[in-house]
Amino acid sequence: EPEVTQTPSHQVTQMGQEVILRCVPISNHLYFYWYRQILGQKVEFLVSFYNNEISEKSEIFDDQFSVERPDGSNFTLKIRSTKLEDSAMYFCASSAGSNYGYTFGSGTRLTVV
Amino acid sequence: AQSVTQPDIHITVSEGASLELRCNYSYGATPYLFWYVQSPGQGLQLLLKYFSGDTLVQGIKGFEAEFKRSQSSFNLRKPSVHWSDAAEYFCAVGPYNTDKLIFGTGTRLQVFP
Repeated sequence: EPEVTQTPSHQVTQMGQEVILRCVPISNHLYFYWYRQILGQKVEFLVSFYNNEISEKSEIFDDQFSVERPDGSNFTLKIRSTKLEDSAMYFCASSAGSNYGYTFGSGTRLTVV
Repeated sequence: AQSVTQPDIHITVSEGASLELRCNYSYGATPYLFWYVQSPGQGLQLLLKYFSGDTLVQGIKGFEAEFKRSQSSFNLRKPSVHWSDAAEYFCAVGPYNTDKLIFGTGTRLQVFP
């Protein structure tokens, strides 16, 4: 069964550093998403991406965050200057359209120290 | 605003017992409804989804859920729980005019032998 692949599975970074989280969505999917889950809390929507542009973003997705689909297969989330409160599990998801549901990756656990 | 409520934070059942996890949503129209399962350190796996039609939907791993419009509920059920079902279960709503998912806070299921 097709999978959404995320790398790395765990990343530790120092506060103020830039991090890039990588995702390879399912190949024929057109919609891409990032969600995050702070430890012990609910999964929260960050951003959706379609046709090479952001289609929707949450209040969490401020100027420190950016997304990119650099080469037609990868989908990345960049946090420009990490803060302690960015520590969370970040999930990438892709979809062929909302009628088809969403497939999530296994997540990247980001720890900011 | 749209919201999802999972009233039970933690449920403990014996192996072989039946299970029902509750989910209530607040939304003006009929939403898309999902149940996801998350094992420790793992990603979100889709158990089942409801878009329209038959209000009783079957999913993977022997789970089913019933959409009840009058109660704004989408409860997840399994007739006989296995120890491997121990995990966190998330209900999610996908409103029709956006492609983001709104998640509930999750229910942690513990299974005793």
